[in-house]
Amino acid sequence: NAGVTQTPKFRILKIGQSMTLQCTQDMNHNYMYWYRQDPGMGLKLIYYSVGAGITDKGEVPNGYNVSRSTTEDFPLRLELAAPSQTSVYFCASSRQYEQYFGPGTRLTVT
Amino acid sequence: QQPVQSPQAVILREGEDAVINCSSSKALYSVHWYRQKHGEAPVFLMILLKGGEQKGHEKISASFNEKKQQSSLYLTASQLSYSGTYFCGTEGGNQGGKLIFGQGTELSVKP
Repeated sequence: NAGVTQTPKFRILKIGQSMTLQCTQDMNHNYMYWYRQDPGMGLKLIYYSVGAGITDKGEVPNGYNVSRSTTEDFPLRLELAAPSQTSVYFCASSRQYEQYFGPGTRLTVT
Repeated sequence: QQPVQSPQAVILREGEDAVINCSSSKALYSVHWYRQKHGEAPVFLMILLKGGEQKGHEKISASFNEKKQQSSLYLTASQLSYSGTYFCGTEGGNQGGKLIFGQGTELSVKP
């Protein structure tokens, strides 16, 4: 099993550009999550999903959108990138309690 | 209502013990503990549930005081591999893992 995979690993965006961060898990987990982690800080929940077709906002959803059309995939869309969205983005999945994290995407907006 | 962790940082020698605390201003359903090494993703350590149930790795111990809305993580006989940043994540109800994480406690274990 590959676990949770994220692409790309790194990305530099210009202000106002858009992009999609990809997340795929092969563990058949119902729950999936998107977090951002600013330098030296904890994780902030952006969006989460309890199953295909069901998503809900976390602590910091503004400027982001998600969709969950399949159990495996949970892409995160950034519209009109801003410098404040410079961060490391982690996707995670879980069956019940333990969350398995992907390796992260380091995003810089300049 | 981010939980507050203490201490912010701690330095240990191999073999020493440490306690990391996590305190919330809200009633808690569960407390989750994760460790993150520099440049890596967080890794699950333990979950403590309201009512006393615990699930996690055998060599990690923790407590959950529901009345005080606090949890503590106990690291005994520390090893070099324990170094990293420890995060607690809290849930106010059974929300499918919708966690609010603390700011982290950086633990350094020296030889």
